[in-house]
Amino acid sequence: GDSVTQMEGPVTLSEEAFLTINCTYTATGYPSLFWYVQYPGEGLQLLLKATKADDKGSNKGFEATYRKETTSFHLEKGSVQVSDSAVYFCALSDRGSSNTGKLIFGQGTTLQVKP
Amino acid sequence: ETGVTQSPTHLIKTRGQQVTLRCSSQSGHNTVSWYQQALGQGPQFIFQYYREEENGRGNFPPRFSGLQFPNYSSELNVNALELDDSALYLCASSLEGSGANVLTFGAGSRLTVL
Repeated sequence: GDSVTQMEGPVTLSEEAFLTINCTYTATGYPSLFWYVQYPGEGLQLLLKATKADDKGSNKGFEATYRKETTSFHLEKGSVQVSDSAVYFCALSDRGSSNTGKLIFGQGTTLQVKP
Repeated sequence: ETGVTQSPTHLIKTRGQQVTLRCSSQSGHNTVSWYQQALGQGPQFIFQYYREEENGRGNFPPRFSGLQFPNYSSELNVNALELDDSALYLCASSLEGSGANVLTFGAGSRLTVL
């Protein structure tokens, strides 16, 4: 079945460092890909998305490019801030195999940014 | 516009009891999905409701059931609670037919089963 694999955390960085969180996926159809962020005590918030190969999603300085050839959707940010500390989830939605549009999530990667 | 609201935020139950969790959708959304997020894990899809009917279900037993009401709000019911049901339960709403499945999540209901 469809699945998402993220790099294990926690990832600890100093402020202004470059961030990469790896995400790879397995899907039978043509999924849409997402990054969600969860701040402590809160629900998930959509960070960015891409709906087809070679699309680049971006928001708040974060970027991710849909790479069909490597089945990847790595999250990057050029300069992280303490306020970026959160848990990041990669997810896919494969409407081709199911009409529900359900999301399949990775296990999450905790990012800690130190001043 | 109002977001997704869930209640209660926290609750404690004992094994064998039943629980009902509630969710109000974001204004303009007609589809509700429920997810279970165990500690340290990603959310797992439970089921989705559209037009008051279940429209897809994940790998959860029948003791997990739901309802969607005409105003698009929803309930998640869990019978015969087990210790492993302890988790954060997330409700998400969306607009069917809007393209890529962009969900708006609530803050969740944290259930502890003792």
